[in-house]
Amino acid sequence: AIQMTQYPSSLSASVGDRVSITCRASQAIRNGLSWYQQKPGKAPKLLIYAASTLQSGVPSRFSGSGSGTDFTLTISSLRPEDFATYYCLHDFNYPRTFGQGTKVEV
Amino acid sequence: QVQLQESGPGPVKPSETLSLTCTVSGDSVSSGGSYWSWIRQPPGKGLEWIGYIYYSGSTNYNPSLKSRVSISLDTSKNQFSLKVTSVTAADTAVYYCAREAFHFDSSGYYYYYGVDVWGHGTTVTVSS
Repeated sequence: AIQMTQYPSSLSASVGDRVSITCRASQAIRNGLSWYQQKPGKAPKLLIYAASTLQSGVPSRFSGSGSGTDFTLTISSLRPEDFATYYCLHDFNYPRTFGQGTKVEV
Repeated sequence: QVQLQESGPGPVKPSETLSLTCTVSGDSVSSGGSYWSWIRQPPGKGLEWIGYIYYSGSTNYNPSLKSRVSISLDTSKNQFSLKVTSVTAADTAVYYCAREAFHFDSSGYYYYYGVDVWGHGTTVTVSS
């Protein structure tokens, strides 16, 4: 199974900060990566698919980049509602595997 | 608007079978273009993909659970279900049903749109 290494596991940030989260795949996965936001007690929400395509309705301050093995989720200017845990997920093959998560906190 | 709703009996005893159902509204489990999936999250931990079923009945399971897991469709009720046999405390988790959207274009190229719809999740506790 492809392993997804996500880092950092947590980060402290302030409103207005630019935040970046990285996922590294154990083998090349082309652009087969999506990003999810999860708030406590809630289901994850799709933010980005195909590495860089913004899901409908997601604010443009979220962006994704990368291909192959290294991928980045960037929040250009952090808002209060963005404090949450973020996960990457590869879809190159099966089984799908998630990154370990990055908690963005104050 | 597509909505998914998990339902299940709640607590399960060790060695028994966990059974959950996901009811789909706004889409049909009988149509192509979607994998109907289960994903779980142990308390305080990350997400684990369990498996999917396609409208044709084909399935794909996580090898870590493969011998204990089965997913089935009930097209008459627009539902899909999960069974996990021989459960232990390690199966205690929030279980989510979800839709993975994709399509093939006329050239056969595959487009994947992510896990775009999730249920709210249901907590399953394995305890004697």
